[in-house]
Amino acid sequence: GAVVSQHPSWVICKSGTSVKIECRSLDFQATTMFWYRQFPKQSLMLMATSNEGSKATYEQGVEKDKFLINHASLTLSTLTVTSAHPEDSSFYICSARVPGGGRETQYFGPGTRLLVL
Amino acid sequence: QKEVEQDPGPLSVPEGAIVSLNCTYSNSAFQYFMWYRQYSRKGPELLMYTYSSGNKEDGRFTAQVDKSSKYISLFIRDSQPSDSATYLCAMRDDKIIFGKGTRLHILP
Repeated sequence: GAVVSQHPSWVICKSGTSVKIECRSLDFQATTMFWYRQFPKQSLMLMATSNEGSKATYEQGVEKDKFLINHASLTLSTLTVTSAHPEDSSFYICSARVPGGGRETQYFGPGTRLLVL
Repeated sequence: QKEVEQDPGPLSVPEGAIVSLNCTYSNSAFQYFMWYRQYSRKGPELLMYTYSSGNKEDGRFTAQVDKSSKYISLFIRDSQPSDSATYLCAMRDDKIIFGKGTRLHILP
């Protein structure tokens, strides 16, 4: 299957700092990528849909000014958590849709574990 | 009522047993039904997806969808310790909605 990578795999930061997470599709070009958040023992919750060359679409309740998404190329989307707080500590997972495939053909990255102290 | 309900487990079964994992849902507009496997501290991996009702088989895995009952199942035959993971059901109309996942332990 298609490969999606994320970097970093884990990060610890102080409250108030910003953290950038990268999501890359390694062997295909993804016009659409998705960002999810998963709290312990909870389901994946879609945060936003990232479209190459245009603004991201955010789900209800997700602050676009806090979670900045940039999809500058067909293989890279970034999520920046600005002014992070302890309640932002979570597992952030990106996925990329294979061209020509429906949303069911998303491939997920390995996730980034964020801990805000 | 939540859109997708899934028993979080944990579910422990002996190696070689048949495993049955299930989800119920409330939105009759869902057309695509997926099962993902997620190992600890890893991203989900798509196992199977099914369009509309019916069965789909892939090796030791069988997915069933009963739209009349709004009920989907994943069966794992000849379960192995390497099958130990969290299994998430998911379904979509406009967006994908995930269940909470069921933690499965296969006991050697």
